[in-house]
Amino acid sequence: GQNIDQPTEMTATEGAIVQINCTYQTSGFNGLFWYQQHAGEAPTFLSYNVLDGLEEKGRFSSFLSRSKGYSYLLLKELQMKDSASYLCAVRDSNYQLIWGAGTKLIIKP
Amino acid sequence: IAGITQAPTSQILAAGRRMTLRCTQDMRHNAMYWYRQDLGLGLRLIHYSNTAGTTGKGEVPDGYSVSRANTDDFPLTLASAVPSQTSVYFCASSPEAEGTDTQYFGPGTRLTVL
Repeated sequence: GQNIDQPTEMTATEGAIVQINCTYQTSGFNGLFWYQQHAGEAPTFLSYNVLDGLEEKGRFSSFLSRSKGYSYLLLKELQMKDSASYLCAVRDSNYQLIWGAGTKLIIKP
Repeated sequence: IAGITQAPTSQILAAGRRMTLRCTQDMRHNAMYWYRQDLGLGLRLIHYSNTAGTTGKGEVPDGYSVSRANTDDFPLTLASAVPSQTSVYFCASSPEAEGTDTQYFGPGTRLTVL
């Protein structure tokens, strides 16, 4: 079966750095996405990785290792507004997105 | 309008009733999707449409139907609602079904079936 695993909840301090991990087992691979979802709102796109390595976009970076079925999202200089759920999703061989349950990130002052 | 709109925002429905959730996008995207989101679970694909006139079944299609008569609209119908269909429903679209395009989400419909 297809499976996306990520931690249920993480806590970090304002101004610090946090890494959210995602491991996956899917039938085929056509890219990995990270989305941010604030409570009661729709998911919004953060990053996309299809090749191994690090993609940097401002305070957010995303890393992919296809051989290990592993990705992480790195958030630097955390702000209170970063409190949200972070969703990992893999596009499988049918170009459908398979979603993890999300990681709820709590930022403390 | 800009982006994706969904209606209604929320709805309480008696079991056995028929309900249509509406989704409209003005971005001329070819692909559209319906997901449900339940606590502790990832988004699950109900139905999708790669282009106007075609639809396909996702991971959890039972009890739901869709149509895609034109590019902009992608309604989701619950023929006879059951309590297990209580969920938050998100409509999404992307320029193409394949390729590197991301999916853009509507604001969601919160549905409660009693």
